[in-house]
Amino acid sequence: AQSVTQLDSHVSVSEGTPVLLRCNYSSSYSPSLFWYVQHPNKGLQLLLKYTSAATLVKGINGFEAEFKKSETSFHLTKPSAHMSDAAEYFCAANRDDKIIFGKGTRLHILP
Amino acid sequence: EAGVAQSPRYKIIEKRQSVAFWCNPISGHATLYWYQQILGQGPKLLIQFQNNGVVDDSQLPKDRFSAERLKGVDSTLKIQPAKLEDSAVYLCASSLAGQGITGELFFGEGSRLTVL
Repeated sequence: AQSVTQLDSHVSVSEGTPVLLRCNYSSSYSPSLFWYVQHPNKGLQLLLKYTSAATLVKGINGFEAEFKKSETSFHLTKPSAHMSDAAEYFCAANRDDKIIFGKGTRLHILP
Repeated sequence: EAGVAQSPRYKIIEKRQSVAFWCNPISGHATLYWYQQILGQGPKLLIQFQNNGVVDDSQLPKDRFSAERLKGVDSTLKIQPAKLEDSAVYLCASSLAGQGITGELFFGEGSRLTVL
């Protein structure tokens, strides 16, 4: 069965420093993987998706993620954090034609 | 292009009362989803519609939750009677037919339910 694990519930970085949000998936096959962002009192918005094309996926707002099958990981990165990146981030995967979400990582940006 | 509309944004009720949430998906989106997001957790799929038919409702507590999508457009999610553990944000999302697993889900801003 497919599941998604986000390794950190909270991450704090200083503005201008790199961001790393970790996600591992469990599956016997390469799934479709997604990262969504949720700003306070807003709905989820798709940042990027992996669907078995290039393993390095670029998304909106300077975010990117790399699919590593050997590590069953799909970590989200950004070279330089901005205050507006403060939000909750969800990793998701398809399972039985449904999208399931991890528990989320709240990203705090320190001035 | 108008996004997914949900109402009400906030609702406070006593336990054992009933509540209904409404969702209007993006025009032309055949697939509609209701997710429950409890504080500190990721969204959990409650029910998925394809047009006006149910694709999956395996995680919907059917003794108290019901949902319908008449005419394959708007949808209503009802809880009756509500329990304390139903306090959550109820998210509606839509997608183009067949895009759910590899495409993008478009989410509304959610309806926050507090059960006292």
